[in-house]
Amino acid sequence: AQSVAQPEDQVNVAEGNPLTVKCTYSVSGNPYLFWYVQYPNRGLQFLLKYITGDNLVKGSYGFEAEFNKSQTSFHLKKPSALVSDSALYFCAVRGLYNFNKFYFGSGTKLNVKP
Amino acid sequence: DAGVIQSPRHEVTEMGQEVTLRCKPISGHNSLFWYRQTMMRGLELLIYFNNNVPIDDSGMPEDRFSAKMPNASFSTLKIQPSEPRDSAVYFCASRGTATNEKLFFGSGTQLSVL
Repeated sequence: AQSVAQPEDQVNVAEGNPLTVKCTYSVSGNPYLFWYVQYPNRGLQFLLKYITGDNLVKGSYGFEAEFNKSQTSFHLKKPSALVSDSALYFCAVRGLYNFNKFYFGSGTKLNVKP
Repeated sequence: DAGVIQSPRHEVTEMGQEVTLRCKPISGHNSLFWYRQTMMRGLELLIYFNNNVPIDDSGMPEDRFSAKMPNASFSTLKIQPSEPRDSAVYFCASRGTATNEKLFFGSGTQLSVL
């Protein structure tokens, strides 16, 4: 079965510092991995995806994610956090055989303090 | 493009009443998904449609839940009768094609069943 885990309910960083939001996956086969962001009272917005190729994926708003096969991880990163990055972040994996099923993690609340 | 449009944004109802949530996907998208978000269970896929046809409703919690997609531009999720444990945020999402993994989410309907 496909699944992702986000081990941290909350991450606190100071503005200007680098941030990392962690995600690990459990997938049989090659994973299709995603990051989404949810701002208050809004739906989820796509940030980036990993399908194949370069292990470092760049996405929206200066975010990037690093795919690490040996550690089965897909951590979201940003070199310099902004207060406006404060939101809920979800990691997701697409179903291996059912391309219409996406399995989301429990979400990590990112707090960026001025 | 107006994005995925959901209505109402908020719904407060009493236990036993019928609730109907509405969704208008992005024009041209051929897949539509209904998700439910709660603190306890996170983001759960309830049902999805391809080309207006329900493909997988295994996530629908009970027979009290039903979903329809009478045409490519409209879908409903109905709960009858509603119960307090149905209180959640319900999201609709659409996607262009099976080869495009990016989901576009609406802003959700906050449902409170008293």
